[in-house]
Amino acid sequence: DQQVKQNSPSLSVQEGRISILNCDYTNSMFDYFLWYKKYPAEGPTFLISISSIKDKNEDGRFTVFLNKSAKHLSLHIVPSQPGDSAVYFCAASAMYGGSQGNLIFGKGTKLSVKP
Amino acid sequence: DTAVSQTPKYLVTQMGNDKSIKCEQNLGHDTMYWYKQDSKKFLKIMFSYNNKELIINETVPNRFSPKSPDKAHLNLHINSLELGDSAVYFCASSQLGRKNIQYFGAGTRLSVL
Repeated sequence: DQQVKQNSPSLSVQEGRISILNCDYTNSMFDYFLWYKKYPAEGPTFLISISSIKDKNEDGRFTVFLNKSAKHLSLHIVPSQPGDSAVYFCAASAMYGGSQGNLIFGKGTKLSVKP
Repeated sequence: DTAVSQTPKYLVTQMGNDKSIKCEQNLGHDTMYWYKQDSKKFLKIMFSYNNKELIINETVPNRFSPKSPDKAHLNLHINSLELGDSAVYFCASSQLGRKNIQYFGAGTRLSVL
């Protein structure tokens, strides 16, 4: 039973354009959401996060949007660069309490940015 | 200077053997984790541990056991290895209070033959 779903296994984008990666979740108890980025032969690295009290969080070229009513979040990368080519994992958790740190990951979306 | 390091990077072994994977973090973090990424690419938490509490994912067989000699290390011991244990295992760490921001090692690819 997947609680966090990334329905697109891959995405190809031209350099300079926008990349939009999507994620859906089913558990209403999740109140903290994160994106991790993973290069081959490396571990995931934290990219950006958002708590459920916000609907948008921006960090440079990366913006995460949260739609709680739809249980949907998305990661926007603009402009996309070839170095952004990686697998992006969506993760959900609790912001406080005993479940904090218990990250539930999606299967990932492989982003390819073409020069 | 790697923040979270795992050894070995690759591990090939026979069914029924016992093996260990070591993990060390030099970030001064209080909490460490083990994750399993299976062939379907799901990354699932197995354990989280700080010096006071071990939280075990209920789906993890008791053949898997974490051992922490000190705050900077969390090793994973696996007894009686099975074919289905083949996966990539990731160690991670985080600060107490910022547990959701985790720093991962590069992974150990375990192949059970």
